[in-house]
Amino acid sequence: GEDVEQSLFLSVREGDSSVINCTYTDSSSTYLYWYKQEPGAGLQLLTYIFSNMDMKQDQRLTVLLNKKDKHLSLRIADTQTGDSAIYFCAGGKTGANNLFFGTGTRLTVIP
Amino acid sequence: DAGITQSPRYKITETGRQVTLMCHQTWSHSYMFWYRQDLGHGLRLIYYSAAADITDKGEVPDGYVVSRSKTENFPLTLESATRSQTSVYFCASSEQGFSNQPQHFGDGTRLSIL
Repeated sequence: GEDVEQSLFLSVREGDSSVINCTYTDSSSTYLYWYKQEPGAGLQLLTYIFSNMDMKQDQRLTVLLNKKDKHLSLRIADTQTGDSAIYFCAGGKTGANNLFFGTGTRLTVIP
Repeated sequence: DAGITQSPRYKITETGRQVTLMCHQTWSHSYMFWYRQDLGHGLRLIYYSAAADITDKGEVPDGYVVSRSKTENFPLTLESATRSQTSVYFCASSEQGFSNQPQHFGDGTRLSIL
């Protein structure tokens, strides 16, 4: 299996950048995902990155992947109060049966 | 509206009772999944299905039963509910297999077992 770890909480001020970190144990993960969960809702896919990439940028979101250290991060620029949510990283392997989720990081944006 | 819907949104039942959680998707996605979300554990896969009449166990299948007679429906049954099955349950679907297609999630069912 795979262990995917995240810190549980992060607080930032509105307008600052947020960086949410994730570490994983299985280096053969082919795809890595970031999901957002707002209160009372399901998980919404934010972005994903293939393991042969180091970085992916999508508007305010930047994903960085350090395969050597098995470290994935999600940077949110100009964080807004609407970004307050739980963020999950998840890893999957081609042909594997499981998508492994981290424990989730609760991001609180302070106005 | 197209999408994935779960019912009920909230359910309270007693230990030993049978309870079925429903999941319906309108995309005709091949794959469907059931997860449970518990504090400190993130999401854990219970069962998944690659197509109608094809199901397989995930990480935590004990105490659960699934079926998939139609592509669009994937009900999850707790045959004899236990308190440890109190959780939030999420259904998801994807067009193809796990890794190279994003999964789309329902809004969840919050299940409490007394």
